[in-house]
Amino acid sequence: EVQLVESGGGLVQPGGSLRLSCAASGFTFSDYEMNWVRQAPGEGLEWIAGISSGGDTVQYADSVKGRFTVSRDHSKIALYLHMNNLRADDTAVYYCARGGSSWALDFWGQGDLVTVSS
Amino acid sequence: EIVMTQAPATLSLSPGVRASLSCRASQRLTGNLAWYQQRPGQAPRLLIYGATIRATGIPARFSGSGSGTEFTLTISSPQPDDSAVYFCQQYVSWPRTFGQGTKVEF
Repeated sequence: EVQLVESGGGLVQPGGSLRLSCAASGFTFSDYEMNWVRQAPGEGLEWIAGISSGGDTVQYADSVKGRFTVSRDHSKIALYLHMNNLRADDTAVYYCARGGSSWALDFWGQGDLVTVSS
Repeated sequence: EIVMTQAPATLSLSPGVRASLSCRASQRLTGNLAWYQQRPGQAPRLLIYGATIRATGIPARFSGSGSGTEFTLTISSPQPDDSAVYFCQQYVSWPRTFGQGTKVEF
């Protein structure tokens, strides 16, 4: 069974940093593109970052480019999102999601809440 | 960036009455279009990919159609359990972009 479990969220002050983790299981992690998608309270879905199966290609939404970094560790079977210079409008539930064979997001974690507030 | 526009914003369902949700892209997608269902308090779930292909375990009452820039998700005989927000997403180019969602309620 495919499982994705996010962790590392919480309350952080504006300008602060946080690292989210996504532990993967139930599939060959190194075969799949992985993504981060976020959802601000009461809002829709926003794709923010993606990383190729080998980790050599990364893509970002303009809203996080230069502040967030996506990475993966195949030995730990984990996906990461390093978030710097956080702003109030980064407050959201952050989901990791697997890019399936068609590149649609076929499995999602349960999400982790990041709150940026003083 | 490809802009995805969904209509209507809210759709009221009646049992057994077919429902159609629209998604329009600002550029041609060559079929790289997915639909997701998000029930309250839950993570999104993939319903349809490749514009028309049902994901594993998705009931046959959900179907996707369309091509180019115009796409439709149809719920043929809605059930109360189908109350949720439905999002379309393009994955033909970066950044991946979602529509703003259609809230479906009974």
